[in-house]
Amino acid sequence: AQSVTQLDSQVPVFEEAPVELRCNYSSSVSVYLFWYVQYPNQGLQLLLKYLSGSTLVKGINGFEAEFNKSQTSFHLRKPSVHISDTAEYFCAVKLTGGGNKLTFGTGTQLKVEL
Amino acid sequence: EAQVTQNPRYLITVTGKKLTVTCSQNMNHEYMSWYRQDPGLGLRQIYYSMNVEVTDKGDVPEGYKVSRKEKRNFPLILESPSPNQTSLYFCASSRPSGFGEQYFGPGTRLTVT
Repeated sequence: AQSVTQLDSQVPVFEEAPVELRCNYSSSVSVYLFWYVQYPNQGLQLLLKYLSGSTLVKGINGFEAEFNKSQTSFHLRKPSVHISDTAEYFCAVKLTGGGNKLTFGTGTQLKVEL
Repeated sequence: EAQVTQNPRYLITVTGKKLTVTCSQNMNHEYMSWYRQDPGLGLRQIYYSMNVEVTDKGDVPEGYKVSRKEKRNFPLILESPSPNQTSLYFCASSRPSGFGEQYFGPGTRLTVT
């Protein structure tokens, strides 16, 4: 079975600083990878996804992530954060072999401070 | 506007009183799913449905029921709620070939006392 680990439960960062949110996955078969964002009192929105091809994927709001197969990682980065990026971020995986089930990590709360 | 709607958004109830949380999507998606979100545990799948009249258990199905009589609706039923079902619930939908990209509702915060 697949699993997702987000080791950082909270990441505080100052506005305009860079940030990296870490995600590692475990799976015996190939997977698709996703990052979702949850703003306060809202549902989840897709930030970006890796299906195949280039290992660097760009998403909305200036976020990007890099798929590293050898390290089974899919870390999320942004070069300069804004107050409005304060939210909870979830990494998720789905097996490529069929089915729609997403397995989520436990989430990382990003808090951007002035 | 393409969306997934849930009702109610907030619900406080007592142990044992049956309740239903509705979920509806207007994107003609075949796949629908229910998750619960708890602090430190992320989102865990409760039930899912691949299409009308086709439902199956997710990772934490105990204490829940679902039905899928129409493509657009996927209600979550708690026949005898207990305090350990206090949680934030999300409904989601997607196309079968959507490479897993799911569209989420706004959430229902349930408190069982």
